Amino acid sequence: QVQLQESGPGLVKPSQTLSLTCTVSGGSISSGPYYWSWIRQPAGKGLEWIGRVSSSGGTNYNSSLKSRVTISMDTSKNQFSLNLSSVTAADTAVYYCARWPTSKGDFDYWGPGTLVTVSS
Amino acid sequence: QSALTQPPSASGSPGQSVTISCTGTSSDVGGYNYVSWYQQHPGKAPKVMIYEVSKRPSGVPDRFSGSKSGNTASLTVSGLQAEDEADYYCSSYAGSNNFVVFGGGTKLTVL
Repeated sequence: QVQLQESGPGLVKPSQTLSLTCTVSGGSISSGPYYWSWIRQPAGKGLEWIGRVSSSGGTNYNSSLKSRVTISMDTSKNQFSLNLSSVTAADTAVYYCARWPTSKGDFDYWGPGTLVTVSS
Repeated sequence: QSALTQPPSASGSPGQSVTISCTGTSSDVGGYNYVSWYQQHPGKAPKVMIYEVSKRPSGVPDRFSGSKSGNTASLTVSGLQAEDEADYYCSSYAGSNNFVVFGGGTKLTVL
């Protein structure tokens, strides 16, 4: 059974960089084909796709966040990570990592989510 | 503003059926058969209920069904049960660059 778990600071100061890691168990992130994504949800609001890294390491980002986002993978630790720079209060949200099998076209496994608050 | 349009709320009594719509464009919903529906209970991660427009993952009751016509997809929940009360989000593949877009979510209330 595949499991995903987000980790990282729950509080980030404005203008700093938000850094989160998703640890995957029950399968290798380098085997696929899968896309490993970050998705966020501000309190009381809908879901927003942030970006993805493929099993082979290629990345794509939401155009509205592209200038501030970097997603990378560490196959030795079976993890992928999110860096979001120059954060503001608008970046306060629950951040989820999720898996998208390219053969199915849906997010079939999700982490439980982690709340990140941007505040001084 | 979300890329896909959903009604903010829907409701029905136990045993009844309710349908939630999800309207996009020819660049997402209308252009691909990769529409998914997610159920989210408070404080929990979303759970896929329908994928590829009308397919159900293992373990999802057959009371949940999906369909699509043109740029609009629909989720129907038949035989409503109390545990179906949740937020429902649609999503669609939107091409290799935009990848995926979500709807704003619909709060389903079981009366």
